[in-house]
Amino acid sequence: QKEVEQNSGPLSVPEGAIASLNCTYSDRGSQSFFWYRQYSGKSPELIMFIYSNGDKEDGRFTAQLNKASQYVSLLIRDSQPSDSATYLCAAVGGSQGNLIFGKGTKLSVKP
Amino acid sequence: NAGVTQTPKFQVLKTGQSMTLQCAQDMNHNSMYWYRQDPGMGLRLIYYSASEGTTDKGEVPNGYNVSRLNKREFSLRLESAAPSQTSVYFCASSPARSWEETQYFGPGTRLLVL
Repeated sequence: QKEVEQNSGPLSVPEGAIASLNCTYSDRGSQSFFWYRQYSGKSPELIMFIYSNGDKEDGRFTAQLNKASQYVSLLIRDSQPSDSATYLCAAVGGSQGNLIFGKGTKLSVKP
Repeated sequence: NAGVTQTPKFQVLKTGQSMTLQCAQDMNHNSMYWYRQDPGMGLRLIYYSASEGTTDKGEVPNGYNVSRLNKREFSLRLESAAPSQTSVYFCASSPARSWEETQYFGPGTRLLVL
């Protein structure tokens, strides 16, 4: 069973700090990875995607991929209370080659 | 441009009743998906349609059927609802047939089966 694992949290950080969200995946053949943000009672929305080893930066967000360690992370710099949400990690690699989602990490940014 | 829309927003069913969840997108996307999200389980793929005229089973298809009515619309039907189908259902779409494409999600339908 191909899996994407995330710490469910909650992860609590003070406003202005760096939030670090981690994800591991079991399918060594997975090549593409996504981070979605989901506010309570709302639908998921894409934050970042990453295909290559290394870092990818977009504003306050940085995605990091290490295929050898089967590890993906999302760093949020200068965290804001509006970043408080559940962050879903997803990897392409299901039985149909589909997206496999982790259960999500709940982030709380305290003012 | 409404993106992905879903109806109804909320529904209560009794065990054994049937219903159809509707989904439509106005982004001219080729691929559409149905997921369910349960506490502690994450998003799981029920069915998907890579393009108009095709549908395929996902990870958890049992108890569901789908119809890709046209390029815009993709419906999910529960023929005989069971309490285990209590969940939040999300429809999503993406531009092309590749799983690497970004998926855009609708607002969700909250279903309670008593």
